[in-house]
This record gives sequence, C-alpha cells and structure tokens, in this order.
Amino acid sequence: AQRVTQPEKLLSVFKGAPVELKCNYSYSGSPELFWYVQYSRQRLQLLLRHISRESIKGFTADLNKGETSFHLKKPFAQEEDSAMYYCALTNAGGTSYGKLTFGQGTILTVHP
Amino acid sequence: KAGVTQTPRYLIKTRGQQVTLSCSPISGHRSVSWYQQTPGQGLQFLFEYFSETQRNKGNFPGRFSGRQFSNSRSEMNVSTLELGDSALYLCASSLSGQFLTDTQYFGPGTRLTVL
Repeated sequence: AQRVTQPEKLLSVFKGAPVELKCNYSYSGSPELFWYVQYSRQRLQLLLRHISRESIKGFTADLNKGETSFHLKKPFAQEEDSAMYYCALTNAGGTSYGKLTFGQGTILTVHP
Repeated sequence: KAGVTQTPRYLIKTRGQQVTLSCSPISGHRSVSWYQQTPGQGLQFLFEYFSETQRNKGNFPGRFSGRQFSNSRSEMNVSTLELGDSALYLCASSLSGQFLTDTQYFGPGTRLTVL
C-alpha cells in the first residue's frame, strides 16, 4: 500500500519568512514524488517533481529516502504563494499508469 | 492549447439515480485519469484509460465505471447513486500516463451533489 501524509492542514507565515511544507510517505516500491499546487479559483497544477531536481517559483524539495520525506521549502515566502499544496506519489518504474496518490493537502497563507 | 475540459460543471441527482460525467483531454493526450475529491478522503484515484483500454483501477465499487473513446474523450458513470458519492470529480490527462517525464494536467472538475 502507498500512503502520503501531510501533517499540517494549515500553515501561516509572514511575507519574507522561510516556509516548509512537510510531506511523509510510505511505499514499498521505488517512489517518485511530486508537489502540486492549487491557487484560488484555479486548477490543480504541477509545481515540481523530484526527478527534475528543479526549483520552481523559488521552491525546492529534497527526497530523503531514510526519513521517507519530501518536504517543500522556500527561503522567502511571497503573498502570491498562498494556495493549497498537495504532495503526491507514484511508482518510479512507471507501472502505476495514470495514478497519483495524494496527501490531504496543506493550505499555506502568507500574510503581508 | 486548450486545457482539460469537463462537463457538466455541476450536477444534482437523487439517491438511486445514475450519472455520466464527461472529460475532454488536451489534444494529443491519450491517457485520461479520474479522481474523486471529498473533504474526508481527499483526492482518490478512480481509474485510468489509455487508447480506449482501462489500464489501472482504484479501490472503488463496481458502481463506478468509465470508458474512453477513439478520440481520447472519456466518460465516467456512477450507477445507483449514494449520498456518499457527493464529491468533486476531477479528470486529468497526460501523454502517456507515466509521470517520470510526463505531466498530468487537471480539469476544473464536476461537482456532484446527491440528495
């Protein structure tokens, strides 16, 4: 079975402060991890994926297989970062066709 | 490029009825996945279709079914509706359904209310 846990339902920070959204997973196979974001009145969209090792909108995420975590970080939060963030997992072997397993999501609010 | 479209956007049905939801993927995308989103269970995978074949299925009862047409458009059907089927149903499309390099794009969803 695979499971993604986002322990914080709500997270509030002030503009310019660092932010970290936590994600832990359990998966018996080889996982590939993603962060999706949903801004107000917009669709769910991909923010970043582990395999790309990229930074998007200043966000980065590091896969820690020992701690089974994939936390999302940004050193200086902006008001436009306020959104719902979902951590998601799939099989790295590509056999979970079309399937992402999502966490429950974290609502990030960045105050001015 | 037009995004994933879903129709209708809102539906109200009564218990025992059946419902059909439609999804048009991004042009060129052959994989279509369906998810159910509820406040209690979050986003849960229903099934995935590729080239008119169901390749993957989540843990939902047989009342939930789907199909895909030759133009990659997909429909999902829920028969004998129950109150607990009230949810936002999201459709997502991708080129291949394998996400190491491919990306899944989501539609706006269909809000189903069962009374």
